[in-house]
Amino acid sequence: EIVLTQSPDILSLSPGETATLSCRASQGVSRTFIAWYQHKPGQTPRLLIYGSSTRAAGIPDRFRGSGSGTDFTLTISGLEPEDFAVYYCQQHGVSLAFGGGTKVEIK
Amino acid sequence: QMQLVESGGGVVQSGRSLRLSCVASGFTFSDYAIHWVRQSPGKGLEWLAGISYDAFTKQYADPVRGRFTISRDNSKNTMSLQINSLRVEDTAVYYCAKVLGGSVLGAFHVWGQGTLVSVSS
Repeated sequence: EIVLTQSPDILSLSPGETATLSCRASQGVSRTFIAWYQHKPGQTPRLLIYGSSTRAAGIPDRFRGSGSGTDFTLTISGLEPEDFAVYYCQQHGVSLAFGGGTKVEIK
Repeated sequence: QMQLVESGGGVVQSGRSLRLSCVASGFTFSDYAIHWVRQSPGKGLEWLAGISYDAFTKQYADPVRGRFTISRDNSKNTMSLQINSLRVEDTAVYYCAKVLGGSVLGAFHVWGQGTLVSVSS
Protein backbone atom coordinates (compact mmCIF):
# COMPACT_ATOMS: atom_id res chain seq x y z
CA GLU A 1 0.00 0.00 0.00
CA ILE A 2 1.34 3.40 -0.99
CA VAL A 3 0.49 6.21 1.42
CA LEU A 4 0.53 9.81 0.22
CA THR A 5 1.35 12.57 2.71
CA GLN A 6 0.52 16.12 1.71
CA SER A 7 2.03 19.23 3.26
CA PRO A 8 1.30 21.70 4.56
CA ASP A 9 -2.20 21.02 5.84
CA ILE A 10 -3.12 24.67 5.36
CA LEU A 11 -1.45 27.31 3.19
CA SER A 12 -2.46 30.92 3.85
CA LEU A 13 -1.65 33.17 0.91
CA SER A 14 -2.84 36.34 -0.78
CA PRO A 15 -4.14 36.58 -4.36
CA GLY A 16 -1.25 36.95 -6.75
CA GLU A 17 1.14 34.90 -4.64
CA THR A 18 2.52 31.49 -5.58
CA ALA A 19 1.35 28.31 -3.84
CA THR A 20 3.67 25.33 -3.55
CA LEU A 21 1.98 22.11 -2.43
CA SER A 22 3.88 18.95 -1.60
CA CYS A 23 2.88 15.30 -1.93
CA ARG A 24 5.23 12.64 -0.62
CA ALA A 25 4.73 8.94 -1.33
CA SER A 26 5.71 6.19 1.11
CA GLN A 27 7.49 4.45 -1.77
CA GLY A 28 8.49 5.38 -5.28
CA VAL A 29 5.70 5.97 -7.80
CA SER A 30 6.08 6.38 -11.53
CA ARG A 31 5.34 9.91 -12.67
CA THR A 32 2.66 8.39 -14.91
CA PHE A 33 0.52 7.53 -11.89
CA ILE A 34 0.29 10.85 -10.05
CA ALA A 35 -2.69 13.21 -10.39
CA TRP A 36 -3.83 16.39 -8.65
CA TYR A 37 -7.38 17.58 -7.95
CA GLN A 38 -9.04 20.78 -6.80
CA HIS A 39 -12.09 20.51 -4.55
CA LYS A 40 -14.31 23.36 -3.45
CA PRO A 41 -17.13 23.05 -0.88
CA GLY A 42 -20.38 21.92 -2.45
CA GLN A 43 -18.72 21.13 -5.77
CA THR A 44 -17.35 17.99 -7.36
CA PRO A 45 -13.61 17.42 -7.42
CA ARG A 46 -11.88 18.69 -10.55
CA LEU A 47 -8.94 17.00 -12.21
CA LEU A 48 -6.08 19.47 -12.65
CA ILE A 49 -3.01 17.41 -13.46
CA TYR A 50 -2.40 13.81 -14.52
CA GLY A 51 0.79 11.96 -15.36
CA SER A 52 2.47 14.19 -12.77
CA SER A 53 2.74 17.19 -15.10
CA THR A 54 0.07 17.10 -17.83
CA ARG A 55 -2.70 19.63 -17.40
CA ALA A 56 -6.22 18.33 -17.87
CA ALA A 57 -8.51 19.90 -20.45
CA GLY A 58 -9.32 23.52 -19.71
CA ILE A 59 -6.87 23.91 -16.84
CA PRO A 60 -4.98 27.24 -16.98
CA ASP A 61 -1.21 27.20 -17.26
CA ARG A 62 -0.71 28.77 -13.85
CA PHE A 63 -1.16 25.22 -12.52
CA ARG A 64 2.02 23.19 -12.86
CA GLY A 65 2.82 19.70 -11.64
CA SER A 66 6.28 18.31 -11.20
CA GLY A 67 8.26 15.69 -9.34
CA SER A 68 9.41 12.11 -9.47
CA GLY A 69 10.13 9.13 -7.26
CA THR A 70 8.53 9.89 -3.91
CA ASP A 71 8.25 13.67 -4.08
CA PHE A 72 5.70 15.53 -6.18
CA THR A 73 4.71 19.18 -6.26
CA LEU A 74 1.77 21.24 -7.45
CA THR A 75 2.64 24.88 -8.05
CA ILE A 76 -0.03 27.53 -8.57
CA SER A 77 1.51 30.73 -9.88
CA GLY A 78 -0.32 33.99 -9.32
CA LEU A 79 -3.23 32.79 -7.22
CA GLU A 80 -6.63 33.87 -8.52
CA PRO A 81 -9.62 34.26 -6.17
CA GLU A 82 -11.15 31.07 -7.60
CA ASP A 83 -8.04 29.03 -6.71
CA PHE A 84 -8.69 29.04 -2.98
CA ALA A 85 -9.77 25.47 -2.35
CA VAL A 86 -8.56 22.09 -1.10
CA TYR A 87 -6.08 20.22 -3.27
CA TYR A 88 -5.49 16.47 -3.30
CA CYS A 89 -2.81 14.36 -4.87
CA GLN A 90 -3.63 10.83 -5.99
CA GLN A 91 -1.59 7.81 -6.96
CA HIS A 92 -2.96 5.01 -9.12
CA GLY A 93 0.12 2.92 -9.70
CA VAL A 94 -0.38 0.43 -6.89
CA SER A 95 -4.06 0.24 -6.10
CA LEU A 96 -5.28 3.79 -5.65
CA ALA A 97 -5.10 6.38 -2.90
CA PHE A 98 -5.53 10.06 -2.22
CA GLY A 99 -3.39 12.24 -0.02
CA GLY A 100 -4.94 13.98 2.96
CA GLY A 101 -5.29 17.30 1.17
CA THR A 102 -3.89 20.83 1.45
CA LYS A 103 -6.25 23.73 2.01
CA VAL A 104 -5.21 26.93 0.26
CA GLU A 105 -6.91 29.77 2.09
CA ILE A 106 -6.97 33.52 1.71
CA LYS A 107 -4.58 35.28 4.03
CA GLN B 1 -21.12 15.93 -22.70
CA MET B 2 -19.94 13.18 -20.41
CA GLN B 3 -22.04 12.88 -17.28
CA LEU B 4 -22.39 10.66 -14.23
CA VAL B 5 -25.41 10.81 -11.94
CA GLU B 6 -25.49 9.06 -8.58
CA SER B 7 -28.59 8.04 -6.66
CA GLY B 8 -29.62 5.85 -3.77
CA GLY B 9 -28.36 7.88 -0.85
CA GLY B 10 -30.44 8.77 2.18
CA VAL B 11 -30.76 8.30 5.91
CA VAL B 12 -30.37 4.69 7.04
CA GLN B 13 -29.89 2.92 10.34
CA SER B 14 -26.61 1.33 11.21
CA GLY B 15 -26.46 -2.36 10.42
CA ARG B 16 -28.70 -2.04 7.39
CA SER B 17 -27.70 -2.25 3.73
CA LEU B 18 -27.82 0.30 0.93
CA ARG B 19 -27.29 0.21 -2.81
CA LEU B 20 -25.96 3.23 -4.62
CA SER B 21 -26.25 3.64 -8.37
CA CYS B 22 -24.35 5.66 -10.93
CA VAL B 23 -25.83 6.23 -14.38
CA ALA B 24 -23.57 7.38 -17.21
CA SER B 25 -24.27 9.31 -20.38
CA GLY B 26 -22.33 11.09 -23.09
CA PHE B 27 -19.67 8.42 -23.62
CA THR B 28 -19.38 4.72 -24.39
CA PHE B 29 -19.87 3.41 -20.87
CA SER B 30 -18.75 -0.12 -21.69
CA ASP B 31 -15.27 1.13 -22.67
CA TYR B 32 -14.23 2.60 -19.33
CA ALA B 33 -13.51 1.72 -15.73
CA ILE B 34 -15.60 3.50 -13.11
CA HIS B 35 -14.83 4.03 -9.42
CA TRP B 36 -16.43 5.12 -6.15
CA VAL B 37 -14.91 7.78 -3.91
CA ARG B 38 -16.39 9.24 -0.73
CA GLN B 39 -15.88 12.26 1.48
CA SER B 40 -16.93 12.05 5.11
CA PRO B 41 -17.84 15.28 6.95
CA GLY B 42 -14.71 17.30 7.59
CA LYS B 43 -12.48 14.69 5.99
CA GLY B 44 -10.66 14.26 2.70
CA LEU B 45 -11.35 12.16 -0.36
CA GLU B 46 -11.27 8.41 0.18
CA TRP B 47 -11.10 5.91 -2.68
CA LEU B 48 -13.41 2.95 -2.14
CA ALA B 49 -13.61 0.67 -5.15
CA GLY B 50 -13.27 0.43 -8.90
CA ILE B 51 -14.48 -1.87 -11.67
CA SER B 52 -13.02 -2.49 -15.10
CA TYR B 53 -14.91 -1.81 -18.31
CA ASP B 54 -15.95 -5.46 -18.62
CA ALA B 55 -16.53 -6.05 -14.89
CA PHE B 56 -13.79 -8.66 -14.93
CA THR B 57 -11.55 -6.75 -12.51
CA LYS B 58 -12.81 -5.28 -9.26
CA GLN B 59 -10.58 -3.53 -6.77
CA TYR B 60 -11.37 -2.42 -3.23
CA ALA B 61 -9.73 -0.30 -0.60
CA ASP B 62 -8.69 -2.45 2.37
CA PRO B 63 -11.06 -0.77 4.89
CA VAL B 64 -14.16 -1.66 2.84
CA ARG B 65 -13.21 -4.99 1.28
CA GLY B 66 -15.76 -7.64 2.19
CA ARG B 67 -18.46 -5.18 3.13
CA PHE B 68 -18.73 -3.19 -0.13
CA THR B 69 -19.48 -4.77 -3.52
CA ILE B 70 -19.11 -2.99 -6.82
CA SER B 71 -20.89 -4.11 -9.99
CA ARG B 72 -21.96 -2.79 -13.36
CA ASP B 73 -24.55 -3.42 -16.07
CA ASN B 74 -23.22 -2.14 -19.38
CA SER B 75 -26.58 -2.69 -21.07
CA LYS B 76 -28.03 -0.04 -18.74
CA ASN B 77 -25.00 2.25 -18.51
CA THR B 78 -25.16 1.74 -14.77
CA MET B 79 -22.67 0.96 -12.04
CA SER B 80 -23.61 0.14 -8.46
CA LEU B 81 -22.13 -0.03 -4.98
CA GLN B 82 -23.72 -2.36 -2.44
CA ILE B 83 -22.88 -1.41 1.13
CA ASN B 84 -23.67 -3.94 3.84
CA SER B 85 -23.62 -3.62 7.63
CA LEU B 86 -23.64 0.17 7.47
CA ARG B 87 -21.73 2.00 10.16
CA VAL B 88 -22.00 5.55 11.44
CA GLU B 89 -18.56 6.20 9.97
CA ASP B 90 -19.94 5.40 6.49
CA THR B 91 -21.74 8.74 6.61
CA ALA B 92 -20.39 10.63 3.61
CA VAL B 93 -21.00 12.03 0.17
CA TYR B 94 -20.41 9.20 -2.31
CA TYR B 95 -19.12 10.06 -5.79
CA CYS B 96 -18.73 7.90 -8.85
CA ALA B 97 -15.91 8.85 -11.19
CA LYS B 98 -14.73 7.85 -14.67
CA VAL B 99 -11.15 6.91 -15.39
CA LEU B 100 -9.23 8.91 -17.96
CA GLY B 101 -7.93 6.36 -20.42
CA GLY B 102 -8.48 2.67 -20.84
CA SER B 103 -6.91 1.22 -17.71
CA VAL B 104 -8.69 -0.01 -14.60
CA LEU B 105 -6.79 2.48 -12.48
CA GLY B 106 -6.20 6.07 -13.49
CA ALA B 107 -6.95 9.70 -12.92
CA PHE B 108 -10.62 10.65 -12.62
CA HIS B 109 -11.66 13.26 -15.16
CA VAL B 110 -15.44 12.99 -14.88
CA TRP B 111 -17.23 13.00 -11.52
CA GLY B 112 -20.85 12.77 -10.53
CA GLN B 113 -22.44 15.35 -8.27
CA GLY B 114 -22.45 12.92 -5.35
CA THR B 115 -25.13 11.28 -3.23
CA LEU B 116 -25.30 11.75 0.53
CA VAL B 117 -25.48 8.75 2.82
CA SER B 118 -26.25 9.43 6.46
CA VAL B 119 -26.08 6.52 8.89
CA SER B 120 -27.84 6.83 12.23
CA SER B 121 -26.98 4.76 15.29
